[in-house]
Amino acid sequence: ETGVTQSPTHLIKTRGQQVTLRCSSQSGHNTVSWYQQALGQGPQFIFQYYREEENGRGNFPPRFSGLQFPNYSSELNVNALELDDSALYLCASSSLTGGPRTDTQYFGPGTRLTVL
Amino acid sequence: AQTVTQSQPEMSVQEAETVTLSCTYDTSENNYYLFWYKQPPSRQMILVIRQEAYKQQNATENRFSVNFQKAAKSFSLKISDSQLGDTAMYFCASQRGGGADGLTFGKGTHLIIQP
Repeated sequence: ETGVTQSPTHLIKTRGQQVTLRCSSQSGHNTVSWYQQALGQGPQFIFQYYREEENGRGNFPPRFSGLQFPNYSSELNVNALELDDSALYLCASSSLTGGPRTDTQYFGPGTRLTVL
Repeated sequence: AQTVTQSQPEMSVQEAETVTLSCTYDTSENNYYLFWYKQPPSRQMILVIRQEAYKQQNATENRFSVNFQKAAKSFSLKISDSQLGDTAMYFCASQRGGGADGLTFGKGTHLIIQP
């Protein structure tokens, strides 16, 4: 167990709808990263939140957005859902210090999103 | 941009054998980190081992060790005395130092340990 939790576990939505996924970071961590893992693929980086601001972003369109709260928990919002958004969404928490060192990311169990 | 390549989609070995999973990567960074993660059917991504690129010594964690060849940009994972619980998808990943770019993952290797 990593101490990172995600909700919900599974979700079914219809094309065009909006969805919000939630993540609680491990105690002592200040950074949350989100990843999309399509079936049979490795995870792809969506974005990272540090001190309540987006700190880095992968190659995902603006309809993927997020928030981080003062307690370092985070939300991933996806608008105008498409069939290709069906995937496992993973969040990972870590601790950034702003320097050159990279902390290890610890993952939650994921949310399986199905778009019909 | 970083890329990670895992050329073995699936491997199968007998319990107690030693197995090596291959990974190559490409980066223009001097400060970077390499990781192996394990993802069992439960889906939770679990850290197996971490290597700082500036360290020449290969990382080890109990039965898991890496062969880090910086010049060749190779980062293989060796699992000794394999156990049934090692059956999982194994992902190699890299990350730029500082961490804001997130992890770059390979496509994974499905490792099956046979009884």
